[in-house]
Amino acid sequence: EVQLVESGGGIVQPGESLRLSCAASGFTFSRYWMHWVRQAPGKGLVWVSRIKSDGTAIAYADSVKGRFTISRDNAKNTLYLQMNSLRVEDTAVYYCARDGVGSGHDFDSWGQGTLVTVSS
Amino acid sequence: QSALTQPASVSGSPGQSITISCTGTSSDLGGFNYVSWYQHHPGKAPKLMIYDVSNRPSGVSNRFSGSKSGNTASLTISGLQAEDEADYYCSSHISILGVVFGGGTKLTVL
Repeated sequence: EVQLVESGGGIVQPGESLRLSCAASGFTFSRYWMHWVRQAPGKGLVWVSRIKSDGTAIAYADSVKGRFTISRDNAKNTLYLQMNSLRVEDTAVYYCARDGVGSGHDFDSWGQGTLVTVSS
Repeated sequence: QSALTQPASVSGSPGQSITISCTGTSSDLGGFNYVSWYQHHPGKAPKLMIYDVSNRPSGVSNRFSGSKSGNTASLTISGLQAEDEADYYCSSHISILGVVFGGGTKLTVL
């Protein structure tokens, strides 16, 4: 069974940093593109970042470019999101998601999410 | 990377059919046949319902179907059931720029 378990969320002040992790199991992690998607309270899903199976082809949403860094450790079956210079508007539940079998980017497995709250 | 446009809400009675639209531009949804749809019950993980415009993942009911014409994609749910009540999101691959989601549609089963 595919499992994605996010961790690392919490409450931080504006300008601080946080690193999220997503532990994968039940599939060959090193073969899949992975993504981060977030949902602010009462708002919709927003794509944040993606990384190819080999750690290349990285892309970010404009709203996080230059502040967030996605990475992965295929030996540890873990996806990361380093979040620096956090803003109040980064407050959200952050989901990691696995790329599906479609020809574009579709997300066939999701974690339960980890809540990040940025507040002074 | 502007969000795709979805109606804020739709509703239907059990057994009826409903359609949720998702409108983009020729630079995103209209330019690729890579539209996906997700069902999201609050507090749970989103679930992929449709990928590549009209394909259903294994295990998804055939009451769910997808289509696309020009810059607008649609999700149709037939034979509405109480458990279909959820938020629904469309998304589109936008090449090297990544992915864009719609704003979400709240489906109410009356």
